Amino acid sequence: EIVMTQSPATLSVSPGERATLSCRASQSVSSNLAWYQQKPGQAPRLLISGASTRATGIPARFSGSGSGTEFTLTISSLQSEDFAVYYCQQYDDWPPLTFGGGTKVEIK
Amino acid sequence: QVQLVESGGGVVQSGRSLRLSCAASGFTFSSHGMYWVRQAPGKGLEWVAGIWYDGSNKNYADSVKGRFTISRDNSENTLYLEMNSLRAEDTAVYYCARDRSSGWGYFQHWGQGTLVTVSA
Repeated sequence: EIVMTQSPATLSVSPGERATLSCRASQSVSSNLAWYQQKPGQAPRLLISGASTRATGIPARFSGSGSGTEFTLTISSLQSEDFAVYYCQQYDDWPPLTFGGGTKVEIK
Repeated sequence: QVQLVESGGGVVQSGRSLRLSCAASGFTFSSHGMYWVRQAPGKGLEWVAGIWYDGSNKNYADSVKGRFTISRDNSENTLYLEMNSLRAEDTAVYYCARDRSSGWGYFQHWGQGTLVTVSA
């Protein structure tokens, strides 16, 4: 099973600042990595697939990068609606499909 | 637009069974792989089960293998999760999710979820 590890667990950022979230896979997943955003009381929403391809309707301030075992989600200028929990997920080698533990982006 | 609406959650005693449903609309259901993903209270996301677009291939997390069964009715645009021998640790919000295509393995669209609570 591929283990996904996200860091940090919590990220405190001021509105307008840049946020950088990390995701590491226990073995290479090529570019088969997705990012999701989840706000309290809501279902997750797909942000990024293929490590760097934004989903339909996702603002350009969200960008993904990386391949192999190291991945990054960058939010270039945090808006109030971006404070949420973010999850990475690998789909290179499954079952099982596996998620990271999440990074909570909170207001500083 | 794509809509996924889960139903069937509730409070159930440990050891009993429950069946969840997910009604799909706004897309060609029979062309997409489908999944169940759950989230225990205050915890992260856990993939539970997946089924190919035509039902020919099904996969399960080890934590539910042998107890849960995923199925679909493409004529009714509905996904199911039959859950047997429920345990306290199965308590979670269960989300239905749609694949990008037949079975890529990521979740392009999500339902709003249905809460399953397993009591002792």
